[in-house]
Amino acid sequence: NAGVTQTPKFRILKIGQSMTLQCAQDMNHNYMYWYRQDPGMGLKLIYYSVGAGITDKGEVPNGYNVSRSTTEDFPLRLELAAPSQTSVYFCASSLETGGVETQYFGPGTRLLVL
Amino acid sequence: DAKTTQPPSMDCAEGRAANLPCNHSTISGNEYVYWYRQIHSQGPQYIIHGLKNNETNEMASLIITEDRKSSTLILPHATLRDTAVYYCIAHGSSNTGKLIFGQGTTLQVKP
Repeated sequence: NAGVTQTPKFRILKIGQSMTLQCAQDMNHNYMYWYRQDPGMGLKLIYYSVGAGITDKGEVPNGYNVSRSTTEDFPLRLELAAPSQTSVYFCASSLETGGVETQYFGPGTRLLVL
Repeated sequence: DAKTTQPPSMDCAEGRAANLPCNHSTISGNEYVYWYRQIHSQGPQYIIHGLKNNETNEMASLIITEDRKSSTLILPHATLRDTAVYYCIAHGSSNTGKLIFGQGTTLQVKP
């Protein structure tokens, strides 16, 4: 298993540009998540999905959009990049069994908006 | 999910046990205690979880007090590679999809 994969690893965007961060998992997990982590800070939940076709907002959804058309993929879309979106973005997936939910994280995408 | 409180930083000598505390005084009956760690620049990594009983796996031990209001993660023989930020999370299945990470404890293992 590759686990959770993310592309690209690093990207520089100009203000106002758009991009999609890709995330895929091959563990057949129902749940997927997007977090952002600013320098020296903890992780903040952007969006999450409990299954294909179902998404919901996390703590900091403004400026982002997501879709979940398949179990495997959960892309994150930035429509109009702003310097405040400079961050490291982590995707994660999990499977809830018997009340226990363990998350597996990807390696992250570093985004710089100039 | 219940709020958790952790010290911002701790030091530990290499080869000694590292004991990381966490307070979760408002934890509800169906919430598990989870520990994750994040080594510099990498994605967080699951370590261990528990509900009421103490737990041990190949990475660490988790001690939960009888009233479940606090817990301690124990790394029995810390190595330099254990230097990381450690996150304690109280989470229940009723909040599926909303695992919230706090600030964590930065553990520095020193030679």
